[in-house]
Amino acid sequence: DQQVKQNSPSLSVQEGRISILNCDYTNSMFDYFLWYKKYPAEGPTFLISISSIKDKNEDGRFTVFLNKSAKHLSLHIVPSQPGDSAVYFCAASPNYGGATNKLIFGTGTLLAVQP
Amino acid sequence: EADIYQTPRYLVIGTGKKITLECSQTMGHDKMYWYQQDPGMELHLIHYSYGVNSTEKGDLSSESTVSRIRTEHFPLTLESARPSHTSQYLCASSVGPNEKLFFGSGTQLSVL
Repeated sequence: DQQVKQNSPSLSVQEGRISILNCDYTNSMFDYFLWYKKYPAEGPTFLISISSIKDKNEDGRFTVFLNKSAKHLSLHIVPSQPGDSAVYFCAASPNYGGATNKLIFGTGTLLAVQP
Repeated sequence: EADIYQTPRYLVIGTGKKITLECSQTMGHDKMYWYQQDPGMELHLIHYSYGVNSTEKGDLSSESTVSRIRTEHFPLTLESARPSHTSQYLCASSVGPNEKLFFGSGTQLSVL
């Protein structure tokens, strides 16, 4: 049973427009969320994160929104650039009383930014 | 910039061979991980370590083994490779309570 879901396997947007990547989760114990970007045959690189005590975090062109009641988060990229074309993974970390826990990843969304 | 290195980047071997995938980090992180990832799938945790001489199996069953004799080194070994082991293997390390992971470039393994 997948606890972190990215229901859109792929997304295509025009250069300069907004890209919105979505992620849903089922475990209410998740309290920290991350987005990773991955190019083919490379390791994922950290993009942006958000704690469950916030509903928005912004870093340059990247903004992550968290809706805890809906168990939903989204990554906005504005403006989108061709170099943003990659697979984006959503990940979540549960908080079980302060113990160190492991990240749980979604299946990824392939973003293609068309020039 | 994260300093975590994996070798080899690509490996093509025959069935039955023993292989070791190397992973080293120079950041002094106590926590290290091995993930396995196939195209269109999530990253699956197969092994992790929270320090020297500490290793645990992850959520995905794997026939591989790991060791952690030094903080900076976390190799993964397959005693007898099979075609079902064909995948990308990603090593990562982390520090702090929120599990922000730093990944290596990965090893793309193909077993013929």
